[in-house]
Amino acid sequence: DVKVTQSSRYLVKRTGEKVFLECVQDMDHENMFWYRQDPGLGLRLIYFSYDVKMKEKGDIPEGYSVSREKKERFSLILESASTNQTSMYLCASSFQAAGNQPQHFGDGTRLSIL
Amino acid sequence: GDSVTQMEGPVTLSEEAFLTINCTYTATGYPSLFWYVQYPGEGLQLLLKATKADDKGSNKGFEATYRKETTSFHLEKGSVQVSDSAVYFCARKEAGTALIFGKGTTLSVSS
Repeated sequence: DVKVTQSSRYLVKRTGEKVFLECVQDMDHENMFWYRQDPGLGLRLIYFSYDVKMKEKGDIPEGYSVSREKKERFSLILESASTNQTSMYLCASSFQAAGNQPQHFGDGTRLSIL
Repeated sequence: GDSVTQMEGPVTLSEEAFLTINCTYTATGYPSLFWYVQYPGEGLQLLLKATKADDKGSNKGFEATYRKETTSFHLEKGSVQVSDSAVYFCARKEAGTALIFGKGTTLSVSS
């Protein structure tokens, strides 16, 4: 089975802190994704990556950056956390984006910014 | 406009009732369609998928048929159980893009 592991289930940080959310997958997937999930808004794509050192902006990239130094790891970075970034963050991975492959999700990180 | 539109919830049913959760989509090409389920406190799990018109995806008693003429992918189950209580997301994917999700529909089943 595909395993997508997010480093923390719950995280509490303060406004202005630099926050790192880590995600690791064990299936050699080329593609990795970061979403945030908010009530009434569903899942919104923040960033995705098709390969090591490659990144593409999703629908809501403002206030975030990402890093993909190794194929199995995709990090989401909040450069200066703000309260409106309190949310559930979901990481996903899949084989090539140009096909019909489903995305496999981690269990999520519930982030609170105080 | 929205790429994937789901019926708004919550949907509240009694055990053994029939379930329909409507989903329609917009796309420029021929997308693949998916239903994901999120149980309380967990991430999303793939429930079923269909990759071309008239395909029927099925899993755990759930079914959905890819209807190109109505651009729909409605989720159905003949007899729901309490354990089916979850949030259900419809999603579409075109070649070269990431998944686009609907806003989710919460299902609550009581015994």
